[in-house]
Amino acid sequence: EVQLKESGPGLVQPSQTLSLTCTVSGFSLTDYSVHWVRQPPGKGLEWMGVMWSGGSTAYNSALKSRLSISRDTSKSQVFLKMNSLQTEDTAIYYCTRGTPYWGQGVMVTVSS
Amino acid sequence: DVVMTQTPPSLSVAIGQSVSISCKSSQSLVYSDGKTYLHWLLQSSGRSPKRLIYQVSNLDSGVPDRFSGTGSQKDFTLKISRVEAKDLGVYYCAQTTHFPLTFGSGTKLEIK
Repeated sequence: EVQLKESGPGLVQPSQTLSLTCTVSGFSLTDYSVHWVRQPPGKGLEWMGVMWSGGSTAYNSALKSRLSISRDTSKSQVFLKMNSLQTEDTAIYYCTRGTPYWGQGVMVTVSS
Repeated sequence: DVVMTQTPPSLSVAIGQSVSISCKSSQSLVYSDGKTYLHWLLQSSGRSPKRLIYQVSNLDSGVPDRFSGTGSQKDFTLKISRVEAKDLGVYYCAQTTHFPLTFGSGTKLEIK
């Protein structure tokens, strides 16, 4: 069974760095890409970036300067790091294997 | 990026009625393999998005045939027949033909 699960801090202070982990099971990261998508409270879905199965990455141009995605295939984990957080980065952060499989999401609040 | 324009933003419908949601893309969603990678997702309150339909008209496993998808090129429609209370939530169209993945702005379905 394909599963994805996000983990990370629920609260981050402004200007600090967000670090999230997506742990997957039921498939290999070397066979499938994993995307990060976020959703501000009451708003729609925004694609953030992707870790391709081959190990390369691509980012939303609006976030590119602040965002980094990496992985550890031995642990079946994909990591998201985003720096210089502001209140508008408050959102639910999802990892997804394309449209059919989504994690439960992790709520991240940016506040002092 | 491909812009997905979804209408209406909200719908209020009585149980048993039918509804349609429109999704229009800024570019044709026909990929070089001839397939059209337009999908429909439902996000119920407090939950992750769940894909209902993939590649315009194919129902995901377990999705009742009250749901149907039609369309081609840049113009797509989701129809829900005989709406049930469990159908409420926000419906999104999403395209994976062009990089990056983009989503419509959502249609909130409420039950009268």
